[in-house]
Amino acid sequence: GENVEQHPSTLSVQEGDSAVIKCTYSDSASNYFPWYKQELGKRPQLIIDIRSNVGEKKDQRIAVTLNKTAKHFSLHITETQPEDSAVYFCAVHSSNDYKLSFGAGTTVTVRA
Amino acid sequence: NAGVMQNPRHLVRRRGQEARLRCSPMKGHSHVYWYRQLPEEGLKFMVYLQKENIIDESGMPKERFSAEFPKEGPSILRIQQVVRGDSAAYFCASSPQGQEKLFFGSGTQLSVL
Repeated sequence: GENVEQHPSTLSVQEGDSAVIKCTYSDSASNYFPWYKQELGKRPQLIIDIRSNVGEKKDQRIAVTLNKTAKHFSLHITETQPEDSAVYFCAVHSSNDYKLSFGAGTTVTVRA
Repeated sequence: NAGVMQNPRHLVRRRGQEARLRCSPMKGHSHVYWYRQLPEEGLKFMVYLQKENIIDESGMPKERFSAEFPKEGPSILRIQQVVRGDSAAYFCASSPQGQEKLFFGSGTQLSVL
């Protein structure tokens, strides 16, 4: 399957600051890039996604950017709040495959 | 729409027993995926099914694990002769036909004693 690398594995930010998580992938046929948020003991929930024909997408305080040439995409959370504390997973879907391949996750802690 | 329903939420088995995990996809969704999550790790793909068909089982161990999605009823992930290493959270996700967007259930936490 697709090889997805996610960095950093942990991220601690002060409330109000920004958080950025980056993922890289290997398959140039990848065409769909979602981000999931998982709170402790809960299900992963889709928070934002982007397709390969778009470079950037924003939804209130979260945004995703995609660089197809470099094969990486990033999640940006601005004005972080304590409720943003969770594990965030990036994922990649390739047109050559049926499934989503996930990164290892980033544990984000927002300090009050 | 009730979302993806998984049961049980927690399942405790002794080594050597069988575990059956059930997943009902969202209404209108015909594709089901099973993922396994070990503590502090990401989601690892196991199997992808459509009604009455296994499309991709490349992530599922060849022995002791099986999955089905019958014409009627939920998808079942079955683990025979469980071992301690099978302890994990097992998540089911569903999607409408032809779409990559996955919606996850709340998972089944399997503990093997």
